[in-house]
Amino acid sequence: EIVLTQSPDTLSLSPGDRPTLSCRASQSVTNNYLAWYQQKPGQAPRPLIYGASRRATGIPDRFSGSGSGTEFTLTISRLEPEDFAMYYCQQYGSSPITFGQGTRLEIK
Amino acid sequence: QLHLQESGPALVRPSETLSLTCSVSDDSFSRGSHFWGWIRQPPGKGLEYIGTVYYTGSAFYNPSLESRVNISVDASKSQFSLRLSSVTAADTAFYYCTRLPRAGHWLRSFFDFWGQRILVTVSS
Repeated sequence: EIVLTQSPDTLSLSPGDRPTLSCRASQSVTNNYLAWYQQKPGQAPRPLIYGASRRATGIPDRFSGSGSGTEFTLTISRLEPEDFAMYYCQQYGSSPITFGQGTRLEIK
Repeated sequence: QLHLQESGPALVRPSETLSLTCSVSDDSFSRGSHFWGWIRQPPGKGLEYIGTVYYTGSAFYNPSLESRVNISVDASKSQFSLRLSSVTAADTAFYYCTRLPRAGHWLRSFFDFWGQRILVTVSS
C-alpha cells in the first residue's frame, strides 16, 4: 500500500501567515488522485482539495493544492482564525485508500 | 441537503461483532452516481479506511481488516451497514459513514460527504 507521510507534524503560525503543508507518498500516486481534508475537534473531516489541485465545493480560494507523483502540497494563502485545525492528505490512486498521519496547524 | 446518520450500539464486548448502519437522507443512494464508505478514527489519532460499497452490493475492503469486515446495502431503505467481527480494544474508535463521488477508479475516490460519527467502545 502507499504510505503517505505528512510534514511537519505541527505547524505553529499566526493569522495572516502563509503555511505550506507537505504530503509525500511512498510511490507515485496514480492520476494525482490526492485529496486534502481539514478536521476540527469534535467534527468530521471536511474535504478541501481533490485531484491534487481541485477545490471542493464551497472551499475558499485561499486554499490551494499542488504537486504530482510523490510530492504534494497544501497552501493557505493567508491564515484566518478558523483555519487552525488538523489537516490530512489521502490518496485514492491505488488500493487500498490511505491517509497521511496529519499535520496540526496551531496558533503561535 | 444530504444527511448521513450512523446508528448502532455504543458498547461492544471483546470478541463480539460490531454492527453499524448508515442512513442516507436523500434519494441519491440508488442513483448509482456515488460509492458509500466507512472510515474510523481512534480517539486522538488519525483516519483509517475500512471499505467502500456500491448500491448493488459490490464492495472493497481494506486488506488490513478484510478478514473481519463486511459491508452490505439495503437499497430499499437507502442504508448501508458495517459489520466487524472479533473486535478487540483496538477497534474502539469514532466510526464515520461517508459518500464518495464516482470520480476515479471503481470503489475508490475521495470522501465528499461525511456523517457526524459514532463512538464505539470495545470493553467488557
